[in-house]
Amino acid sequence: DIQMTQSPSFLSASLGNSITITCHASQNIKGWLAWYQQKSGNAPELLIYKASSLQSGVPSRFSGSGSGTDYILTISNLQPEDIATYYCQHYQSFPFTFGSGTKLEIK
Amino acid sequence: QVQLQQSGTELVKPASSVKISCKASGYTFTSNYMHWIRQQPGNGLEWIGWIYPGNGNTKYNQKFDGKATLTADKSSSTAYMQLSSLTSEDSAVYFCARSDVGGGFAYWGQGTLVTVSS
Repeated sequence: DIQMTQSPSFLSASLGNSITITCHASQNIKGWLAWYQQKSGNAPELLIYKASSLQSGVPSRFSGSGSGTDYILTISNLQPEDIATYYCQHYQSFPFTFGSGTKLEIK
Repeated sequence: QVQLQQSGTELVKPASSVKISCKASGYTFTSNYMHWIRQQPGNGLEWIGWIYPGNGNTKYNQKFDGKATLTADKSSSTAYMQLSSLTSEDSAVYFCARSDVGGGFAYWGQGTLVTVSS
């Protein structure tokens, strides 16, 4: 199985600032990576697919980049509604696996 | 609009089985893969497997082989997951989710909480 190592586990940042979350795959996943936002008690929501494609309806403050084994989610101009846990997920091969999550707090 | 409506909370006894449902609407049910994902309390997400309702083909995470069985009823646009030989480790929220051509899960059910307790 491909292991997805996500960091940091916890992040605290101020409104208006930018943050980055990284995801490292144990092997080349060729850009087949998605990012999700999960707010407490809700289902995850797709933010980014194919490493850098913005899902319809998602604010342009969210962006994704990366290739091979290393990927980044960037959130710029942090807003109060960004409080959530963020997950990466590969879909290069079976089984699909998720990162362990990054919990974002607003200072 | 695409909607996935899951069945309600289940409280079940150890060693029993449970079948949860995911009713799809707003799109052609037979044209997209339906996935199931587990989230144990306080934990992250695990992919269980998918079913293609168009032909009933399935693919499982080896970890859930023998634990989960995925089926689909085209007549009612409903996907099902049966979990068997339940233990406390199976207590979790289970989500159904639809994948699209670009990848990723763009549509999710609201989740079904399964609690295994005597």
